[in-house]
Amino acid sequence: NAGVTQTPKFQVLKTGQSMTLQCAQDMNHNSMYWYRQDPGMGLRLIYYSASEGTTDKGEVPNGYNVSRLNKREFSLRLESAAPSQTSVYFCASGGVGQLRDTQYFGPGTRLTVL
Amino acid sequence: QKEVEQDPGPLSVPEGAIVSLNCTYSNSAFQYFMWYRQYSRKGPELLMYTYSSGNKEDGRFTAQVDKSSKYISLFIRDSQPSDSATYLCATDSNYQLIWGAGTKLIIKP
Repeated sequence: NAGVTQTPKFQVLKTGQSMTLQCAQDMNHNSMYWYRQDPGMGLRLIYYSASEGTTDKGEVPNGYNVSRLNKREFSLRLESAAPSQTSVYFCASGGVGQLRDTQYFGPGTRLTVL
Repeated sequence: QKEVEQDPGPLSVPEGAIVSLNCTYSNSAFQYFMWYRQYSRKGPELLMYTYSSGNKEDGRFTAQVDKSSKYISLFIRDSQPSDSATYLCATDSNYQLIWGAGTKLIIKP
């Protein structure tokens, strides 16, 4: 049981390049989330998927797109990277029942855009 | 005004001290409150989970919610260097979490 996995762990891009961050969970959760974390800003929600086949914008969606490929996988795409997207990106998946709001996080992707 | 406010610290205390970490929130409709712990260069992990008002204890950790003042607290007894981490409070809104900015805690041996 690996929990939430993310690839890659580190990435350096040049301005204008594109890339996709991959996330997978093996806990059979319906909900999945993408966050970015910047110093002093805490966690900010980029996009989320409440269930397979649905995606919704979070607090800071501009410059990003997502795909909920199946129940396990949720990817985040940067079409044209900008230095302002330098951040640590976390994927999370959500619990069910009474712990529906509990989120389980992956190890993060450290992205630098030059 | 942010919906959940949290002092970013850092908060530095000696080993063995009692630590108090706090958050305030603005919406009285919030009912579920969570504390996450995040070690350096790791993802956050759930530490404590409480519903409505009152206290919840788990080992050296106690989570407290005061709905009348919209104040949530996390107490750590007999603090250890391994407790050094960033502590984030969160509450729920329509299956999304609303996060505080996190307080960095340093326990000095």
